[in-house]
Amino acid sequence: TQLLEQSPQFLSIQEGENLTVYCNSSSVFSSLQWYRQEPGEGPVLLVTVVTGGEVKKLKRLTFQFGDARKDSSLHITAAQPGDTGLYLCAGGMNYGGSQGNLIFGKGTKLSVKP
Amino acid sequence: GAVVSQHPSRVICKSGTSVKIECRSLDFQATTMFWYRQFPKQSLMLMATSNEGSKATYEQGVEKDKFLINHASLTLSTLTVTSAHPEDSSFYICSAGGGTVDEQYFGPGTRLTVT
Repeated sequence: TQLLEQSPQFLSIQEGENLTVYCNSSSVFSSLQWYRQEPGEGPVLLVTVVTGGEVKKLKRLTFQFGDARKDSSLHITAAQPGDTGLYLCAGGMNYGGSQGNLIFGKGTKLSVKP
Repeated sequence: GAVVSQHPSRVICKSGTSVKIECRSLDFQATTMFWYRQFPKQSLMLMATSNEGSKATYEQGVEKDKFLINHASLTLSTLTVTSAHPEDSSFYICSAGGGTVDEQYFGPGTRLTVT
């Protein structure tokens, strides 16, 4: 059974602070997606990383895929209240060229206080 | 990004009745769609994978006779909760396969309450 361990589960910080969310697994993934979900809504795709060691930046968010494609991190600089939400990492299990399942982490509930 | 819609967004039904939830990919063709269930403060639990024109693949522990999935076209998949009971109350979310092979684009979800 493939597992994707996400930490921390809860994070409450003040506006302006930095934070990092981690996702780790013993499995190798074909890709790693990060999603953000607000209460009562579906997850919204933030980024997809595919290559081991890849780093992608989206404004104040930095995403990194581990060299071995088993882990990933999300770093937020100078967090703002608008960053509040549930962050989910998901590992892709496609190796055959067809749509495969995603293995989801348990999520990190982030609260940024003004 | 790709847009996926779900209908209805909220539904309340009586125990024993059936409810159908629609999932549509609005601006792309989705060969594969996924149905998830999410409990409060928890992550997504994959229920089944739906491929256009073929039978859905259900995850272990998901009753295929209770959760009927139909993927009749490249833009529409439906989930029917048959003979619903209060324990079926949950947030149901669909997703559709996107541009790259692994990406999934999610609908806004359907809140089902069975009384």
